[in-house]
Amino acid sequence: DGGITQSPKYLFRKEGQNVTLSCEQNLNHDAMYWYRQDPGQGLRLIYYSQIVNDFQKGDIAEGYSVSREKKESFPLTVTSAQKNPTAFYLCASSGASGPYEQYFGPGTRLTVT
Amino acid sequence: QKEVEQDPGPLSVPEGAIVSLNCTYSNSAFQYFMWYRQYSRKGPELLMYTYSSGNKEDGRFTAQVDKSSKYISLFIRDSQPSDSATYLCAMSAQTNAGKSTFGDGTTLTVKP
Repeated sequence: DGGITQSPKYLFRKEGQNVTLSCEQNLNHDAMYWYRQDPGQGLRLIYYSQIVNDFQKGDIAEGYSVSREKKESFPLTVTSAQKNPTAFYLCASSGASGPYEQYFGPGTRLTVT
Repeated sequence: QKEVEQDPGPLSVPEGAIVSLNCTYSNSAFQYFMWYRQYSRKGPELLMYTYSSGNKEDGRFTAQVDKSSKYISLFIRDSQPSDSATYLCAMSAQTNAGKSTFGDGTTLTVKP
């Protein structure tokens, strides 16, 4: 089955700890994305990568970091510098040509206390 | 001002009603127009996409794009309780290497 997997589904951390969210795709897509979604809100782009070993900041990159060492994988680290990290995190991927539709993973719900 | 504005909702309709979900945009470079459906606590799933102006139908769903007015719509005919979800419009352009811009979503409830 082709698709995107995110793990874990739920994650709990103490304030001050870094945490890494996993995202893997087997769709052979070049581009991958990380979004944050707060209750009742839309999607906000954190980081995106259009090719291996390259990535760009989105609209809310502060306090987050990513790597793209393999085409299939795009992990997101939420650092202690992120002031309000509790949210629903979504990973997506898309192909290299139009319409650039994105395929989303099931999401990770992060709670930091 | 946001590049993509979506009717905020929430929207509540009786089963069987025709639903209209709408977005406007300001970037004339957008070429591809998509609609996603997101059930509560799940990732969005692509419903359909259109390229440039015109209509596209898929079962009970019709996507409509009017580039001259920078306005897109999703119509749902014979709405069902299972259509209750948040609907997100999204747009992309080749000039932006395909990075999509999303609306904030409209939450729809279809009551039996």
